[in-house]
Amino acid sequence: GQQVMQIPQYQHVQEGEDFTTYCNSSTTLSNIQWYKQRPGGHPVFLIQLVKSGEVKKQKRLTFQFGEAKKNSSLHITATQTTDVGTYFCAGPYSGAGSYQLTFGKGTKLSVIP
Amino acid sequence: DSGVTQTPKHLITATGQRVTLRCSPRSGDLSVYWYQQSLDQGLQFLIQYYNGEERAKGNILERFSAQQFPDLHSELNLSSLELGDSALYFCASSVIAGSTDTQYFGPGTRLTVL
Repeated sequence: GQQVMQIPQYQHVQEGEDFTTYCNSSTTLSNIQWYKQRPGGHPVFLIQLVKSGEVKKQKRLTFQFGEAKKNSSLHITATQTTDVGTYFCAGPYSGAGSYQLTFGKGTKLSVIP
Repeated sequence: DSGVTQTPKHLITATGQRVTLRCSPRSGDLSVYWYQQSLDQGLQFLIQYYNGEERAKGNILERFSAQQFPDLHSELNLSSLELGDSALYFCASSVIAGSTDTQYFGPGTRLTVL
């Protein structure tokens, strides 16, 4: 079945440093989604990338979708304590006429003030 | 607030018992997904329902079952509970079940099995 790998599993950064998490799929994806889960919270949708080579920005967050549509990255510039949480990528796969999301294991970001 | 509700928020029970977790999807969403999240683990997909019918099964144990009712709310039944079943259980919903659908997660039910 489809597998989505994410690295690193954990990242500790000093406030103000940059942060990047990488996501790789075993199969070509039609799109990739990113979610953020704050400590004690639930996953919240951040963004979806659809096109090969697509780059999208949300303030200090930059999302990229690889040319082959098998990998993606999330880069945060100048981290803040509000960025703390676990970032998941997820790719859709088809089963029984509908789609489910396969989530990576996530990257847990800690920001040291 | 995602619009997805889950009850109860916390559940503490003993091994061997049976519990039911409830989820109400966002208004208008037809698809419901259940996930299990253990400590420091990712989101393990359990099962998906679409408009009342089971659509897909993931890593769901035979002791677990679910259903989606005509009003589209869903229940996840966990029986013969074991210590290892202690986890966060999330419900998510989406409009249909298309490849570009965004999933909206509920606040989760934290299950503790003693």
